[in-house]
Amino acid sequence: QLQLQESGPGLVMPSETLSLTCSVSGASIYRGSFSWGWIRQPPGKGPEWIGTIYYSGKTYYNPSLKSRLILSGDTSKNQLSLKLTSVTAADTAVYYCARPTLMAADAFDVWGQGTMVIVSS
Amino acid sequence: QSVLTQPPSASGTPGQRVTISCSGGSSNIGSHTVNWYQQLPGTAPKLLIYSSNQRPSGVPDRFSASKSGTSASLAISGLQSEDEADYYCAAWDDSLNGFCVFGTGTKVTVL
Repeated sequence: QLQLQESGPGLVMPSETLSLTCSVSGASIYRGSFSWGWIRQPPGKGPEWIGTIYYSGKTYYNPSLKSRLILSGDTSKNQLSLKLTSVTAADTAVYYCARPTLMAADAFDVWGQGTMVIVSS
Repeated sequence: QSVLTQPPSASGTPGQRVTISCSGGSSNIGSHTVNWYQQLPGTAPKLLIYSSNQRPSGVPDRFSASKSGTSASLAISGLQSEDEADYYCAAWDDSLNGFCVFGTGTKVTVL
């Protein structure tokens, strides 16, 4: 059974880099036709797609975050990672990793529990 | 950033049918399929509908959806108390080299 678990610092200082990992169990991140997504949700607001990384390593980023964002995968640890530079209070959110259904690459059917990130000094 | 517009709220009594709209444009709903998510408080979104009208395994057939032109809709028939949640549509958008966009969200209240 596929399970995703996000982890991160919880609190990040403004202008610093946010680094999150998503540990994947039950499937290999670089096998098959899998892609993996990151979505965030600011408190009291709707979800915002951050980006998607494909099993080939190809990435798609939200245009509003592209200049600050790097998504990658570590096959040895079967983990996904997110790095977001120069964070501000606007980056405060619950961050989720998710996997799309095989039938629709933009429909996320397996989600992690999410990790809350607060950007504050 | 959302370019998919939903009504902020909808409500109904148990057993009623509730419909939620999602209005977009030619670069998103007009060109791509729509997905719908249900989010209960404090939990991750749950995929309800993918490819505009397909239900993942385990989703009750009380939930149905359709798409026409640049709009989509989600219907909940036989409304139940456990359906009280936030609902979001989502679709791919071809602008700015492509990105996935979520709707503004609709809070469904069971009266």
